[in-house]
Amino acid sequence: EAQVTQNPRYLITVTGKKLTVTCSQNMNHEYMSWYRQDPGLGLRQIYYSMNVEVTDKGDVPEGYKVSRKEKRNFPLILESPSPNQTSLYFCASSPLDRGHYNEQFFGPGTRLTVL
Amino acid sequence: KQEVTQIPAALSVPEGENLVLNCSFTDSAIYNLQWFRQDPGKGLTSLLLIQSSQREQTSGRLNASLDKSSGRSTLYIAASQPGDSATYLCAVTSPGNMLTFGGGTRLMVKP
Repeated sequence: EAQVTQNPRYLITVTGKKLTVTCSQNMNHEYMSWYRQDPGLGLRQIYYSMNVEVTDKGDVPEGYKVSRKEKRNFPLILESPSPNQTSLYFCASSPLDRGHYNEQFFGPGTRLTVL
Repeated sequence: KQEVTQIPAALSVPEGENLVLNCSFTDSAIYNLQWFRQDPGKGLTSLLLIQSSQREQTSGRLNASLDKSSGRSTLYIAASQPGDSATYLCAVTSPGNMLTFGGGTRLMVKP
């Protein structure tokens, strides 16, 4: 089944404790992206990647890192989480068509709470 | 900077009604526009994707139109059902592959 998977689905952690949220897709998509969703602010893009070893900042990259060593994986790293990073996080992937992404497929989400 | 607005923010209709959800964007230089559905606490499900060169797309009871020059898109839902209750989001792709979402329309279809 074609899908985007994220782990963990739920995470409660404390300020400053490094964490990684994994994202994997099995559709051979070039483009992958991370978003956070907050009440009243909607969905905002954190980072995106056009292909292996190619990443770029979205609207709200501060406090996050990403890497794209393999085409299928795009982990989101919080080196020193803070309470304002408490949010619902989504990973998405898309094929590229002439350099632009098309239909985006979203993972189920990771609900992160930073105490 | 691209801004995307969805009106209304919430909508409640009786089952069987046809309805229209609106999405507007400030910069007409877009590559495509996508409509999503999101159920509470769940991920986003893609409904329709309209390329900038297209005027509309249809899938079942859903029809999405795009007027790039005026910065508007509509999602038409025919013969609404309680199972259509969800939040509907539109998102536009701008140069640089930036994806900007609207705030969503929360739809409730009452039996």
